[in-house]
Amino acid sequence: DAGITQSPRYKITETGRQVTLMCHQTWSHSYMFWYRQDLGHGLRLIYYSAAADITDKGEVSDGYVVSRSKTENFPLTLESATRSQTSVYFCASSDNLLRGNTEAFFGQGTRLTVV
Amino acid sequence: SQQGEEDPQALSIQEGENATMNCSYKTSINNLQWYRQNSGRGLVHLILIRSNEREKHSGRLRVTLDTSKKSSSLLITASRAADTASYFCATLSNDYKLSFGAGTTVTVRA
Repeated sequence: DAGITQSPRYKITETGRQVTLMCHQTWSHSYMFWYRQDLGHGLRLIYYSAAADITDKGEVSDGYVVSRSKTENFPLTLESATRSQTSVYFCASSDNLLRGNTEAFFGQGTRLTVV
Repeated sequence: SQQGEEDPQALSIQEGENATMNCSYKTSINNLQWYRQNSGRGLVHLILIRSNEREKHSGRLRVTLDTSKKSSSLLITASRAADTASYFCATLSNDYKLSFGAGTTVTVRA
């Protein structure tokens, strides 16, 4: 199916474990983003990417790693999960972003609980 | 701290009334966008306004942008129960960073 999909939808992991959240889009959009959403904070940018092999840190990147070896995939890895990383994670993609007339498309989110 | 800040944090209105929410941001932007999120779901794009535009309409939505004050407002006219959701402004910087605020939760009472 066309679109942007995140997996898994729900994940429970233990403190200290490494966990990877997957994001896949079928549009070949150049730009991809990872956000976390916590009550009272809205969406905070973790990492973003303009193209394959180009990534930049957002405002809350500590403890997270990303890669973008292929345009369509943008996995987010928590190297050693902590309870403070319990959150809902959203992936988004967009194209022609700086032409000023395009929107971002969001996945359905991954609810991660670190125990 | 976040780039965008919405005001108010929460809004409760009667069906048929207008809803207005504001967004302030800190740094220069390429464009500003508004999104809606229904409970537990992903965000859906509503409307985009470029930095050289001052006002834009789409159906029952009206957005304004004042770059001198670094602020924007979203007006939803003749609200419906289905408009109950959280609304977020997002700013796109010239280095393609798309940043969101904390959102405004709108409840439309029947």
